[in-house]
Amino acid sequence: DQQVKQNSPSLSVQEGRISILNCDYTNSMFDYFLWYKKYPAEGPTFLISISSIKDKNEDGRFTVFLNKSAKHLSLHIVPSQPGDSAVYFCAAWDGTSYGKLTFGQGTILTVHP
Amino acid sequence: EPEVTQTPSHQVTQMGQEVILRCVPISNHLYFYWYRQILGQKVEFLVSFYNNEISEKSEIFDDQFSVERPDGSNFTLKIRSTKLEDSAMYFCASSKLAGAEQFFGPGTRLTVL
Repeated sequence: DQQVKQNSPSLSVQEGRISILNCDYTNSMFDYFLWYKKYPAEGPTFLISISSIKDKNEDGRFTVFLNKSAKHLSLHIVPSQPGDSAVYFCAAWDGTSYGKLTFGQGTILTVHP
Repeated sequence: EPEVTQTPSHQVTQMGQEVILRCVPISNHLYFYWYRQILGQKVEFLVSFYNNEISEKSEIFDDQFSVERPDGSNFTLKIRSTKLEDSAMYFCASSKLAGAEQFFGPGTRLTVL
């Protein structure tokens, strides 16, 4: 089941620069997308979401872009900080289920001081 | 800030034994979920629960699994006869609405020997 894919297992970025995390999906029924951040030994923490009727959503340093035709979304973090170092998961909801989220494999982001 | 809590943080059990994982969702949330993450793999949906009944379950959630909301605050996952392959992190989550942002607990690490 590869309905949501994060093809980059890891990303390394210098502090202050932009981090771009990518996510692709195959299920055209997906209606709502979320990004979660996860530190070791903790549960996923909600970061930002986007509905399929939008192509961009911004919250502080975090911006999510959605390209429905390409079935692709990305999370931009500007500027990146060492505290952003974590695993980032993309997740999707198809709008018909009772909230079942389908997750990608995650991308490990390391922000170097 | 309200949060989802889970107990225990780590459970070690022998194969074939029953385990109960406990969760206290956020108090005004209506939808409850269990997910699991086997080491090195993606977060997988197990079950969703709404209005005191299972609303959706995955193929992983077989007859060995059950969920219950025994009172107004707790939400439990029971595995009747654990198998080695049940070893994973189990996350409880809750949300106000189906498909809305889900808030995750810190997880219970289940180790089956």
